[in-house]
Amino acid sequence: GAVVSQHPSRVICKSGTSVKIECRSLDFQATTMFWYRQFPKQSLMLMATSNEGSKATYEQGVEKDKFLINHASLTLSTLTVTSAHPEDSSFYICSALGLAGGFDNEQFFGPGTRLTVL
Amino acid sequence: AQSVTQLDSQVPVFEEAPVELRCNYSSSVSVYLFWYVQYPNQGLQLLLKYLSGSTLVKGINGFEAEFNKSQTSFHLRKPSVHISDTAEYFCAVCEGSGGSNYKLTFGKGTLLTVNP
Repeated sequence: GAVVSQHPSRVICKSGTSVKIECRSLDFQATTMFWYRQFPKQSLMLMATSNEGSKATYEQGVEKDKFLINHASLTLSTLTVTSAHPEDSSFYICSALGLAGGFDNEQFFGPGTRLTVL
Repeated sequence: AQSVTQLDSQVPVFEEAPVELRCNYSSSVSVYLFWYVQYPNQGLQLLLKYLSGSTLVKGINGFEAEFNKSQTSFHLRKPSVHISDTAEYFCAVCEGSGGSNYKLTFGKGTLLTVNP
């Protein structure tokens, strides 16, 4: 149990286009999901906290108009990178917070999405 | 604000040798502590976690960690490593009582390389 998927796993796009990344909790409901960004050989940096049915909470320095987050259901959160530029190239990882069924206080991570902006 | 320091960016070790990956944290309140492993181009997998209770925590793949409150440390250990343990290891800390306040702060990671 407690599987989180991300789609796509890898995407290459041209500068100026928008890219949507999906994060799904497959066998549990997640009222809270998190989006992280990881540069090569570096740690994960929290970008935002996504709560089902409400606006996301962004960390300091993260542009909310550039990184649009939607958490429309208890199993799906999406991150849209708008007008992507080469500096947005990174590994984006989501996690879903389990709050019941033995998953208390644990985040379950997706496999990540590698974004390359040309 | 909480922070996590992983003192070693890289740890090379021979197969079947013991290993310790160090992690220190700073926080003004009680914390939850975690160790995650990341294989190349993959997400994170939880190795073990400390929430409360016994300070010695056992996890998957033969790993264990000990929470030391006085030294604010949560070092990860394995008595005998395998080639397959080669990966990046992240220590993480969480403040708060859960729910939407449950935000993780990660260390910079330690690359464990197990050589034959």
